[in-house]
Amino acid sequence: AQKITQTQPGMFVQEKEAVTLDCTYDTSDPSYGLFWYKQPSSGEMIFLIYQGSYDQQNATEGRYSLNFQKARKSANLVISASQLGDSAMYFCAMREGKEGGSEKLVFGKGTKLTVNP
Amino acid sequence: AAGVIQSPRHLIKEKRETATLKCYPIPRHDTVYWYQQGPGQDPQFLISFYEKMQSDKGSIPDRFSAQQFSDYHSELNMSSLELGDSALYFCASSLPGQGLGNGELFFGEGSRLTVL
Repeated sequence: AQKITQTQPGMFVQEKEAVTLDCTYDTSDPSYGLFWYKQPSSGEMIFLIYQGSYDQQNATEGRYSLNFQKARKSANLVISASQLGDSAMYFCAMREGKEGGSEKLVFGKGTKLTVNP
Repeated sequence: AAGVIQSPRHLIKEKRETATLKCYPIPRHDTVYWYQQGPGQDPQFLISFYEKMQSDKGSIPDRFSAQQFSDYHSELNMSSLELGDSALYFCASSLPGQGLGNGELFFGEGSRLTVL
């Protein structure tokens, strides 16, 4: 079963507007972390924001915020005031807690964001 | 600040050849992860190491092997290369997990393998 679901293969937004990228996840583990990464066409994987399962408040990092709805198992990324440089692939990922074991990241299929001038 | 270093950045091989990718984690990070990202795909977990021991295994083909050395760098060895092995290979490192699923994985810039 897919652990991370990103239902939007592609999204378009006008420069300076806000955009929400959807992500839902599936886990039975009470301890987990949710991450968003940006991958521009050059290929590197850039960390954007992190939300822990026990965090009470939604994470924010500059223009990025994470709309964390634990009961609905969703962790949507909100980008405010979009810029042309935000055009990239965006991956949602989850890291499940595992005592003494590998806490690998599991990625969604990604959403390709295009910012139009 | 020091980042995860991967080499080579680009590699071109023929079918049935062998390739070795290297990864140097951030200092004091003793956990290393390898991911494979095919064209237009999401990164797929291959294998991870903690304190030089294999800690988890994902969809890594039998033709591939990896290890982590005493200085914590890791190497991914790929033999009998196939066209489908053409991909971007990421290495990531982290501090040891605390069982909470928290903590960032720091990614290298990737090694792009092309198999002709």
